Amino acid sequence: QQQVKQSPQSLIVQKGGIPIINCAYENTAFDYFPWYQQFPGKGPALLIAIRPDVSEKKEGRFTISFNKSAKQFSLHIMDSQPGDSATYFCAASSQGGKLIFGQGTELSVKP
Amino acid sequence: DTAVSQTPKYLVTQMGNDKSIKCEQNLGHDTMYWYKQDSKKFLKIMFSYNNKELIINETVPNRFSPKSPDKAHLNLHINSLELGDSAVYFCASSLGAGGQPQHFGDGTRLSIL
Repeated sequence: QQQVKQSPQSLIVQKGGIPIINCAYENTAFDYFPWYQQFPGKGPALLIAIRPDVSEKKEGRFTISFNKSAKQFSLHIMDSQPGDSATYFCAASSQGGKLIFGQGTELSVKP
Repeated sequence: DTAVSQTPKYLVTQMGNDKSIKCEQNLGHDTMYWYKQDSKKFLKIMFSYNNKELIINETVPNRFSPKSPDKAHLNLHINSLELGDSAVYFCASSLGAGGQPQHFGDGTRLSIL
């Protein structure tokens, strides 16, 4: 019930493509869903986050789509660039609860 | 003016030794965390402190002991290091516990020989 399942494990797209990373959860008490970006040798950095009262949130080229009934959320990266190549993690938590991370997706954007 | 800083960045040591990792944040946050990232990059929370009080204590061997001397600092002491402790350890902080943006340090890579 505490798991967050993330897919795919790895993803290769061409520059300008739109990679999509998906996550699914079981715990209906989760009410905060952030995405983190991690470059080699660095800590995860918060990219964008959503709460379940909205179905979509955009920040620059990054969009989260959220489907509360299906208990799924996804990250879309518009006009992807080689500099977006990194590992992406979805996560979820409930109020006052711990942050549960997905397994991570290694994204490679080819020039 | 690093927000969350950890020392050391690398730690190479022998099995059975005791070591400490230090973390400091200058963001004015009241909650700090320790995470472990394994070789498959899976991130798992170990401990969390809010205003110097332990609020999350995951199923972690009691060889791991966190200490928070004040809201801006959270240290991790590990006794009798084992091969399986090899990982990257991340410190993070947030304003408030649960459901708040967490800011991570750049990690301490611990290698046990």
